[in-house]
Amino acid sequence: QKEVEQDPGPLSVPEGAIVSLNCTYSNSAFQYFMWYRQYSRKGPELLMYTYSSGNKEDGRFTAQVDKSSKYISLFIRDSQPSDSATYLCAMSATGSARQLTFGSGTQLTVLP
Amino acid sequence: DTAVSQTPKYLVTQMGNDKSIKCEQNLGHDTMYWYKQDSKKFLKIMFSYNNKELIINETVPNRFSPKSPDKAHLNLHINSLELGDSAVYFCASSQDRGDSTFGSGTRLTVV
Repeated sequence: QKEVEQDPGPLSVPEGAIVSLNCTYSNSAFQYFMWYRQYSRKGPELLMYTYSSGNKEDGRFTAQVDKSSKYISLFIRDSQPSDSATYLCAMSATGSARQLTFGSGTQLTVLP
Repeated sequence: DTAVSQTPKYLVTQMGNDKSIKCEQNLGHDTMYWYKQDSKKFLKIMFSYNNKELIINETVPNRFSPKSPDKAHLNLHINSLELGDSAVYFCASSQDRGDSTFGSGTRLTVV
């Protein structure tokens, strides 16, 4: 079993839809939770960052972390064609080695 | 102005060759990483350096050797390239927060 499991997709939605992306994890040491967006042939770029449990909102994006259930989500409201990308959840633990453990990514297409 | 830059962007080479990928970050971060992204887009840590010291060395063939001349640079040298080494290699850096900033990747194709 992988440390981080992500809904595989691909996901195709009409413009304006609400998108929900999810990951589960097994390692209780994870304290930092992130969502990265990766456009084709580009590097991952940080979209949302959350420390420990809770919600965080940034414009049309909301990230939720439930450490008791080991479950994280990303919601995209009023989705736009420019949101079409691969979304990667990522997590890291405290300590000097802050390497990220990634989910397998969900490819999202928002249709105009 | 680029935060994490890696060169080259594309590398096509024959089996058995030796090649290097270079990475530089101007963010003042203490920790740098190499990740490998396979054809299914799965990103996996290979190495991590903190202030020029190797702190993570995942199960990676000995043909891969990272080198950090200073905390702003982390290079990756690959000996005797194999077909299975074809992938996109990402350099990244981080500081005190748990997130990382990624470069734009080096697409390696071994033929």
